[in-house]
Amino acid sequence: GAVVSQHPSRVICKSGTSVKIECRSLDFQATTMFWYRQFPKQSLMLMATSNEGSKATYEQGVEKDKFLINHASLTLSTLTVTSAHPEDSSFYICSANTRTSGGAGDTQYFGPGTRLTVL
Amino acid sequence: QKEVEQNSGPLSVPEGAIASLNCTYSDRGSQSFFWYRQYSGKSPELIMFIYSNGDKEDGRFTAQLNKASQYVSLLIRDSQPSDSATYLCAVTLGSQGNLIFGKGTKLSVKP
Repeated sequence: GAVVSQHPSRVICKSGTSVKIECRSLDFQATTMFWYRQFPKQSLMLMATSNEGSKATYEQGVEKDKFLINHASLTLSTLTVTSAHPEDSSFYICSANTRTSGGAGDTQYFGPGTRLTVL
Repeated sequence: QKEVEQNSGPLSVPEGAIASLNCTYSDRGSQSFFWYRQYSGKSPELIMFIYSNGDKEDGRFTAQLNKASQYVSLLIRDSQPSDSATYLCAVTLGSQGNLIFGKGTKLSVKP
């Protein structure tokens, strides 16, 4: 399957600082990438859909000025959590679409996730 | 509101048994269906996808799709303790390939 990487895998920061998370598709080009957040024992929540060269589409309730997304190339999307607070502590996971041969559409592959802890 | 429903479990099966995981979806226009496995503290890992009605087999896994009943299932044969995880059903929504996820079924395979 397609490989998606994320960096860093874990970050601890002080309240008020900004944190940037990178998501890369390693062996394919992804026109669309997605950012999810998952709190402990809860299901995945889609935060935003990121398209290369255009503004991200944010889900209802997700502050676009707080969670800045940049999709500068077909293999890289970044999520910046600005002025992070303890309630932003969560598991952030990106994914990327690639067309599936013989299928009826795209398949989404996930990165390994970034665990953010805000003190 | 388009939804994907799964029984949250936990579903407990003995080692070697068949585990059956079920999922229903509300959007009749859905075209693509996926099963992901998520171990605790890890990100989801794709197990299988299915587009056509019927069965699709891959090793110990069989996905079954019935679009008329809006039902998709995953069978795991010869279940192993290493299969213990949360299984997420996902359905494609829209042209960009956005996925709607079910809340997942927690599977526990007892040795």
